[in-house]
Amino acid sequence: AQSVTQPDIHITVSEGASLELRCNYSYGATPYLFWYVQSPGQGLQLLLKYFSGDTLVQGIKGFEAEFKRSQSSFNLRKPSVHWSDAAEYFCAVATGGGNKLTFGTGTQLKVEL
Amino acid sequence: DAGITQSPRHKVTETGTPVTLRCHQTENHRYMYWYRQDPGHGLRLIHYSYGVKDTDKGEVSDGYSVSRSKTEDFLLTLESATSSQTSVYFCAISEARTSDYNEQFFGPGTRLTVL
Repeated sequence: AQSVTQPDIHITVSEGASLELRCNYSYGATPYLFWYVQSPGQGLQLLLKYFSGDTLVQGIKGFEAEFKRSQSSFNLRKPSVHWSDAAEYFCAVATGGGNKLTFGTGTQLKVEL
Repeated sequence: DAGITQSPRHKVTETGTPVTLRCHQTENHRYMYWYRQDPGHGLRLIHYSYGVKDTDKGEVSDGYSVSRSKTEDFLLTLESATSSQTSVYFCAISEARTSDYNEQFFGPGTRLTVL
């Protein structure tokens, strides 16, 4: 069965600093991978997704993620964090044809001004 | 934003009482999902529907039932609520345009407290 690991429960960065959130997945075939963001009291918003092709994918709000098959990773990055990026971030994997998502446990991002 | 509403948005109930949460969509999407979100667990799939009257279990389905009598509504029922079902519940929808995965859109959530 597929699984997703987000090893960092909490991360604190200073505004303007770079950010990398880690995500490792376990799945036998080529995965469909996603990053979602959840602001306090809100639902989930899709930041970006990887289905196939270029392993570096661009998303909304200046985020990008790189798929590395050899490391089973899909880390999320942003060159310069803004205070409004403070939120919880979830990595997820989907099985082809299954239309179901498996989520990681999330990483809570705090941005210091 | 996808047209997804959830009702109620907040509910406090007592152990042993039945509770029904409603998810309503205006997108005419085929797939609908119910997740629960708990600290340290992320989101976990409870049940999902792939069409009217077509439903299947997810990862944490015990204690929950669902019904979908029309495309736009997906109901989640806790027959006899327990304190372990205190959680935030999210509905999601997706369209089956291809045989591969299709993006899910999430509702605003329902916070349920069982005393």
